[in-house]
Amino acid sequence: QITLKESGPTLVKPTQTLTLTCIFSGFSLSTSGVGVGWIRQPPGKALEWLALIYWDDDKRYSPSLESRLTITKDTSKNQVVLTMTNMDPLDTATYYCAHTSTVTNVRGPDYWGQGTLVTVSS
Amino acid sequence: DIQMTQSPSSLSASVGDRVTVTCRASQSISTFLNWYQQKPGKAPKLLIYAASSLQSGVPSRFSGSGSGTDFTLTISRLQPEDFATYYCQQSYSTLWTFGQGTKVEIK
Repeated sequence: QITLKESGPTLVKPTQTLTLTCIFSGFSLSTSGVGVGWIRQPPGKALEWLALIYWDDDKRYSPSLESRLTITKDTSKNQVVLTMTNMDPLDTATYYCAHTSTVTNVRGPDYWGQGTLVTVSS
Repeated sequence: DIQMTQSPSSLSASVGDRVTVTCRASQSISTFLNWYQQKPGKAPKLLIYAASSLQSGVPSRFSGSGSGTDFTLTISRLQPEDFATYYCQQSYSTLWTFGQGTKVEIK
């Protein structure tokens, strides 16, 4: 079955760079159509999509955050890494990674990780 | 960006009620619309995909409809476990966007 799990620091200081890793199982990022996305949710607020990477290394970023985000994959390790630069207290949120596929009718996030809470504070 | 607007932002309902949540896209998205349920402290769960297809394992009291710009999530008979926040999400564009959520609370 498909599972995903996020890992990374729980606390970062303002201006620092956040690096989050999504480790997954049950699928391969070398399979045509498969992708992994990142979504975040500030406490008490709505979901916000951040970035997406596909099996062919095609990448998509939220226009409002594109200058601060980088998404990469390591297919051999079943990992996707998201980096976000210049962190601000407003970036405090639970960060989720999720599986997607262009060959299903969902074409959005269908399997989600449990999320990891990142707090930005000095 | 495609903007997704949900209404209402919250509603109060009783067990057994029929509940409807609406989602409107800023441009036509055909039927590339998904609905998620989120409970406090948990990851979102996919309920409906492609506007009207029920995800495996989701109770049949959940249904979705719509195409183009206007979509609806309906819970036919609200159950205690359905009190949660519901989000719509468009997958027409690879620049995903979510609605702001609708919180379904106990009356």
